[in-house]
Order: sequence, then C-alpha cells, then structure tokens
Amino acid sequence: SQQGEEDPQALSIQEGENATMNCSYKTSINNLQWYRQNSGRGLVHLILIRSNEREKHSGRLRVTLDTSKKSSSLLITASRAADTASYFCATDALIQGAQKLVFGQGTRLTINP
Amino acid sequence: DGGITQSPKYLFRKEGQNVTLSCEQNLNHDAMYWYRQDPGQGLRLIYYSQIVNDFQKGDIAEGYSVSREKKESFPLTVTSAQKNPTAFYLCASSNPGTSGANVLTFGAGSRLTVL
Repeated sequence: SQQGEEDPQALSIQEGENATMNCSYKTSINNLQWYRQNSGRGLVHLILIRSNEREKHSGRLRVTLDTSKKSSSLLITASRAADTASYFCATDALIQGAQKLVFGQGTRLTINP
Repeated sequence: DGGITQSPKYLFRKEGQNVTLSCEQNLNHDAMYWYRQDPGQGLRLIYYSQIVNDFQKGDIAEGYSVSREKKESFPLTVTSAQKNPTAFYLCASSNPGTSGANVLTFGAGSRLTVL
C-alpha cells in the first residue's frame, strides 16, 4: 500500500477560512515534502520538513511533522480561490535498499468564493 | 528560464502502437523520473535515472521503456505491451546531492489517450 496516505480526500471551504490536510506514512523518513497540483498541470514543490524538525512556515503555509505518530499536516491560512488545487505529501525514505520519494493519493481542495 | 519541457501535451494512440513521450530539462539535474497519474490518484513511479546511461525500474515499469543517452533528455516509450496506457504522464528531475533532500521539479505533463 502507499507509504503516504492523505486525509481528507476532498475538502471544500469558503474563501478566507483555513484549510488543513493530513498525511500519514508507515516507515522512518529523512524528510517529508508537500506539493501542489493545479488541474491538468505538473506538481509544484511547496515546502520540505526534515525528520528532526517539528514545524515549518512559508508565507500562508504551516507544516507540522510528528515522527512518533508518523504524520504531518499542512495548514493553509486565509485561503483564496487561487489555492484551489490538489495537494500531495511525499515521503523521502529508504525503501527496499533504495532512497525513494513516495507520493500520497492527494487531497483535492476547493475554495469557494 | 530553466525548466522541464514535456511533449506532446496531448497524444492519441491506437491500440497496438508504441508511442514516445519526450522530456527535456535545462536545469543541469542529474536525476530524472517518469510518473504515471490516473484520475483522482497519486503518482506512481515508472522509471528513474540517477545518471546518464543508467536507469532503474520503478513500481510499474512493465510495458514501458526509457533511455538516458544525454543528461538533458529522458524519453519514455509506452509500448503495446502496456495494457492500460491511458493516463497522465509526468516527468521530473532533481539534484539530490546538492541539498541532501530530493526535491523534484516537474514538467507540465503529457496526457495519453488510447482510442
């Protein structure tokens, strides 16, 4: 099964509200990354948090990492219509002897004006 | 501007035909990757290459082939052996050694439809 699993699968909120997405994973990781994908486009890297970090900020983004629970969350504050996209977590881990970046299934975020 | 260029953006194929998707990067990245994305799904790794003239199978390599003759280029061939090739294909590149973290830069994708 997937190394990273995201929750919820879909999220719809009003503009101005905060959006929280969660990611859980199974094995020990070196770092965890979040990417954004607009419909029909490639992914864009948003933020990376290393295994020895607990929280990281970038503009309106806040990422937390709890390695004891093997989970991460992405918070987008003061959401805008332009934040409508799919968001993926990706775990960078040693799997079967090889360093691999494994993506979750994604959360589809819709911001309603 | 540096980036990754995938072509074509849309491609239609008849059953039994091989097709090749192009991926070119001018970021001077050592590693390149091909992912497949199905509707509403995450990304699955097809093939990756960490250095010129070397590549490794990913999780779903059956029915696909690649080459890495130049650092800038990593074409993907979808062969007739791939039973369900209709999907969105994403190429990415990275320089894992520069920061100790493998951050990927993606192309805009190629959508393949089998008629």
